[in-house]
Amino acid sequence: ETGVTQSPTHLIKTRGQQVTLRCSSQSGHNTVSWYQQALGQGPQFIFQYYREEENGRGNFPPRFSGLQFPNYSSELNVNALELDDSALYLCASSLGTSGRAPDTQYFGPGTRLTVL
Amino acid sequence: QQQVKQSPQSLIVQKGGISIINCAYENTAFDYFPWYQQFPGKGPALLIAIRPDVSEKKEGRFTISFNKSAKQFSLHIMDSQPGDSATYFCAATLPGDSWGKFQFGAGTQVVVTP
Repeated sequence: ETGVTQSPTHLIKTRGQQVTLRCSSQSGHNTVSWYQQALGQGPQFIFQYYREEENGRGNFPPRFSGLQFPNYSSELNVNALELDDSALYLCASSLGTSGRAPDTQYFGPGTRLTVL
Repeated sequence: QQQVKQSPQSLIVQKGGISIINCAYENTAFDYFPWYQQFPGKGPALLIAIRPDVSEKKEGRFTISFNKSAKQFSLHIMDSQPGDSATYFCAATLPGDSWGKFQFGAGTQVVVTP
C-alpha cells in the first residue's frame, strides 16, 4: 500500500452536476498531482499543487479546480460535468518540487466517476 | 499531442518468457523516465525508473534500456510470471518546477500465460 487514500471509491453523477473528489497524501508529502485516466488510456495530468498553491496545469478547462490543505489532504472539483468526464481520477503525492531532488510519486487507488 | 508513445498495446507471453515494451518521446528536455505497473482496480505503482545519463538499469527481473539519441526507452521483463499480468505505463517528466507532471504512454496490457 502506498499510504495515499482516495474517496469515494465510486461515484455516479448526471451531466451538469458538480463533484468533489478527495485525496489524503502520505504524511509529510507536500506535493499532490491529479490525473484523469479514461478507460484503456494512460493517466492525463490535470494539475499539481505544491504547498497549497497550484504549480502547473495540464490541458484541462477551468471547470476542473483543486485545493490542497495543510493536513496533506486535497480535493479535485469538477463543475458542469460532461459525459466525457467519466474516468478514473487518480491523485499522486510526493515530497518536494521546485528544484529539489525528485522523489517517488505514490498513486492512490483512484475514484471511478461515471457521468450519465 | 501525445508526447510519449508506447507500443505494443497488448502483449501475450508464456511463463518464463521475456516481455518487451517500447516507448518513444519527443521532448529532449525530459530527464526522468519511470515505468508504472497497474493492476485492475488499483492505482499505478512505480516499478523502475531511469535518468538519461544511464543507458540501462536493472532491478530484479525488470530492466530499462535507454537510447538517448533515438529518444526511446524500453522495459524488459525477464522470466515473466503470471503475477506480472498487468497494464504497464511508461512516463516522462521535466526537471525542476515541472517535476512530477508526468506524461504517460497509453499503456500495454501484458498477459502471462501459465
